[in-house]
Order: sequence, then C-alpha cells, then structure tokens
Amino acid sequence: EVHLVESGGALVQPGGSLRLSCAASGFTFDNFEMNWVRQAPGRGLEWISYISSVSSTKYYADSVKGRFTISRDNTRNSLYLQMNSLGAEDTAVYYCARGATLFHFDYWGRGTLVTVSS
Amino acid sequence: QTVVTQEPSLTVSPGGTVTLTCASSAGPLNSAYYPNWFQQKPGQAPRPLIYSTTNKYSWTPARFSGSLLGGKAALTLSGVQPEDEAEYYCLLYRGGGWVFGGGTKLTVL
Repeated sequence: EVHLVESGGALVQPGGSLRLSCAASGFTFDNFEMNWVRQAPGRGLEWISYISSVSSTKYYADSVKGRFTISRDNTRNSLYLQMNSLGAEDTAVYYCARGATLFHFDYWGRGTLVTVSS
Repeated sequence: QTVVTQEPSLTVSPGGTVTLTCASSAGPLNSAYYPNWFQQKPGQAPRPLIYSTTNKYSWTPARFSGSLLGGKAALTLSGVQPEDEAEYYCLLYRGGGWVFGGGTKLTVL
C-alpha cells in the first residue's frame, strides 16, 4: 500500500527557514516524480514544486521560486522541501503527492502544518 | 500567470445530476492540459477522482465522470449522494508546472 508521510512542520518566525520531509513507502520511490502542494487555512490548493524521479528536472511556482528548494534522496525513499525567507503568506498545510504518468497526482500524504508568525 | 476558474459554489439535490466546470484564462482547454479533479472534505487530504480529462482511479465511484465541454474541463456527478458534499478542485498541467482552480463547494440539499 502506498504511504506518504510528511513531517517537519512547525511554528517559525518571519524570515526564518524550515525543512519539510516526506517519507514514502509501498512503492518503488525512484520510479516516480514527486510534488509539493500547499493549502493556506480556509483557502484552496496551490501546487508549489515538482521533482523528477532522478532529480534532473525541478519546477517551482512563482510564489516560491528562489526561496524554496525541492530535493529527494532515493536511497532513503524521501522527498524534501527546504523553505527559506518564510513569510506569513507561507502559512499552510503542506502535502506531498506522488506524480504519475499523464501528469496526475495519484497519492497524497496527510500534510504537515507550517505556521509563520512572530 | 494562468488563472483557473471554477464555480465558487453549487447546490444539488440527492439523486440529482450536477456538472462542475474548470476554465483557463489562457484559452479553451484541450486534452493537452491533462485535467485532473480532486475531492476534499474538511480536515482531509485531497482525494484524486479523475485524471487526464476522463480517466478514473480504482476508487472513483462510477457516478463521477470527466469530460471536455465547450472549451472547459467538466466533472459530472450523476445520482448525487449526501457523501458527495465536499470541495472539488480541478488541476491543469501547463508545461513546467501545474495550476489548481479555486475550488467549487458542492452542497447536497
């Protein structure tokens, strides 16, 4: 069974940094692309980043470009999101989602909450 | 920056049929946008329903179907059940990234 478990969410001060992790199990991790999606409280979903199976290609939404970095460690079946220069607008639940053929996200984790506040 | 527009809210009676749509500010949609549809209930992660316009997952109830309709992506629920009350999001691939619609709150009343 496919499992994605996010961790690393916390309360962080404006301007601070945080690193999120997503632990994957139940599938061959290095065969799949991965994504991060976030949802601010009471708001809609926002795709923020993509990484190919061997990390050769990475995409970012304009809202996080230059501040966030996606990475993965296929030996540890893990996906990461390094978030720098955090602002209140980054407060959200962050989900990792598996990417599949035909550009879809077929499995999601339960999310981890990041709160940016002083 | 592409904006993806959905109906903010819709109401349907149990047993009825409703169609949710998804439009792009970049112009008419086609299959190359690989439209996805997700259902989300309060406090839960999004649940994928439809991918690449019309394809269902093994867990997608038969009453859900996807299509292209007049240049928009569409999600049709036929024979709506009370448990279908939820927020529904479309997702479009834009080459180098994805964009979600703002969501449709579906009320079953």
